[in-house]
Amino acid sequence: AQTVTQSQPEMSVQEAETVTLSCTYDTSENNYYLFWYKQPPSRQMILVIRQEAYKQQNATENRFSVNFQKAAKSFSLKISDSQLGDTAMYFCAFMRSNSGYALNFGKGTSLLVTP
Amino acid sequence: GAGVSQSPRYKVAKRGQDVALRCDPISGHVSLFWYQQALGQGPEFLTYFQNEAQLDKSGLPSDRFFAERPEGSVSTLKIQRTQQEDSAVYLCASSSVGVWNSPLHFGNGTRLTVT
Repeated sequence: AQTVTQSQPEMSVQEAETVTLSCTYDTSENNYYLFWYKQPPSRQMILVIRQEAYKQQNATENRFSVNFQKAAKSFSLKISDSQLGDTAMYFCAFMRSNSGYALNFGKGTSLLVTP
Repeated sequence: GAGVSQSPRYKVAKRGQDVALRCDPISGHVSLFWYQQALGQGPEFLTYFQNEAQLDKSGLPSDRFFAERPEGSVSTLKIQRTQQEDSAVYLCASSSVGVWNSPLHFGNGTRLTVT
């Protein structure tokens, strides 16, 4: 079974600063997909960014980017120019390429953006 | 509707009662998923439907949990003889094709409290 570890239960960052959230995973698969989801207090999970394991180029989506280190099985999320609306729980998730559907989530990191 | 709708938003049940949680996916979405999110944890996969077919129910924690999607749209997650350990947020998600090609759209979840 694949496991996803988020070692930072809580993080805090000042508005406009940059913060990096860590995620490591364990798998014997060679191809798979990785995701970062955001969960605000409304509880709705929102996709932030995704990465295919066979792509070496790190994914970016506006202020969000990842540092994907396949050999180290690491998938960190960098949020630049943090905004108050970024305050939320952030979950890292793994999906096997041949399953097509089931996501394995980490326990999450609570991010607080302060003025 | 515009998004995945779940009802009720909150449910309190006495131990031993049966509950039914409803999910209205985005119209036309083939794939539907149920996840269970315990307090302070990431979501855990419960079950997956493709249209009306339940293709994977490996995550259902016991035979007290039952899910159906008889017409390939609305889905119901039923929990019989609820126990305190069933207390959690139950998230429903849908996607139009595979999870990679069409990201999951999550509902706001149903928070179940068993007293």
